[in-house]
Amino acid sequence: TQLLEQSPQFLSIQEGENLTVYCNSSSVFSSLQWYRQEPGEGPVLLVTVVTGGEVKKLKRLTFQFGDARKDSSLHITAAQPGDTGLYLCAGAAYGGATNKLIFGTGTLLAVQP
Amino acid sequence: NAGVTQTPKFQVLKTGQSMTLQCAQDMNHEYMSWYRQDPGMGLRLIHYSVGAGITDQGEVPNGYNVSRSTTEDFPLRLLSAAPSQTSVYFCASSYSYSSGNTIYFGEGSWLTVV
Repeated sequence: TQLLEQSPQFLSIQEGENLTVYCNSSSVFSSLQWYRQEPGEGPVLLVTVVTGGEVKKLKRLTFQFGDARKDSSLHITAAQPGDTGLYLCAGAAYGGATNKLIFGTGTLLAVQP
Repeated sequence: NAGVTQTPKFQVLKTGQSMTLQCAQDMNHEYMSWYRQDPGMGLRLIHYSVGAGITDQGEVPNGYNVSRSTTEDFPLRLLSAAPSQTSVYFCASSYSYSSGNTIYFGEGSWLTVV
């Protein structure tokens, strides 16, 4: 069974601070996605990374896919209260023919004003 | 702009009861799936479908049935509810079943089995 471990599980920071969330696995993924989920809602896709070593930026969020396609990180610069939520990474199995995703355990971020 | 619609939003069941969680999408998406979300375990795939008339098991299929008679609908049936099925259930869809397509999630259905 492929597993995606996220760290930290919980993070409470002050507005303006920087943070990094990690997503690690011993398995190789063909692509990796990051989602944000707010209370009472479903996950919403933030980004998809496909190529080993790829870096994508979405405003203050920077996503990186590891060279070996086994891990990824999400870095938030100058966090704001609006960034509060559950961040989930999800990997598509390498060589998989369908859009099945394996989700990480999640990182719950709280940004205090 | 309905997207993926799930009903009901909340449900309480007694052990042994059966029920169906409804899921409909209006985006003509080929791929649909059901996940359950439990604390500390992320989302786990229950069943999925790559098109009308085609379904397959995911990671945790036991105790659940699905069918896909139309492109739009993908109901999830709990045959005999157990307390271990207390969870939040999410239906999701994507345009194509090919890996890497954007997946759109519904708002979730909160199920409690007592």
